[in-house]
Amino acid sequence: DTAVSQTPKYLVTQMGNDKSIKCEQNLGHDTMYWYKQDSKKFLKIMFSYNNKELIINETVPNRFSPKSPDKAHLNLHINSLELGDSAVYFCASSQVVDNSPLHFGNGTRLTVT
Amino acid sequence: GENVEQHPSTLSVQEGDSAVIKCTYSDSASNYFPWYKQELGKRPQLIIDIRSNVGEKKDQRIAVTLNKTAKHFSLHITETQPEDSAVYFCAAADKIIFGKGTRLHILP
Repeated sequence: DTAVSQTPKYLVTQMGNDKSIKCEQNLGHDTMYWYKQDSKKFLKIMFSYNNKELIINETVPNRFSPKSPDKAHLNLHINSLELGDSAVYFCASSQVVDNSPLHFGNGTRLTVT
Repeated sequence: GENVEQHPSTLSVQEGDSAVIKCTYSDSASNYFPWYKQELGKRPQLIIDIRSNVGEKKDQRIAVTLNKTAKHFSLHITETQPEDSAVYFCAAADKIIFGKGTRLHILP
């Protein structure tokens, strides 16, 4: 009964490939996020969706495309993977935008070789 | 947009002593300030948060103070224990922008 679950946990792939990461939350939250955590542990917001609508897109390359089929799911598709995309990607959800705690998934460690 | 600065980047304290981590923010409209703890290999988890209508909040050994005029807020951990060793992140709304983290080491 994990609140925010993302798959896969580990993803190893070669440059140029296309991959997807899936995220689901069973908390009934309206808002979902994708964060990227690099090797220095900096947590940077990439996208935020509120009730399936994109509300935040933080200067992320067009190769990254989020998709929210419903408010419980937010998937991340990455085209033409590059070495610099290697990082841990965290999905998160919150009850409302801005003013409530984030609940994080366990992360997906992406390694591009 | 919001900018959050966090200091120090690394902090070592003797077990039993107190630890203080400080953050400043730029957007005076921000009204929600959470703190997250991330243990090695784990996900960040909320440990305490404060809203702009209060100046201080305490939960057992953890407290957070907020100075809206100066636009800074701090995390205080008293009687530190080995399990407090982790990376701590402050954040400010809107968009939940995180500070760069503080790696806290508790020395035996």
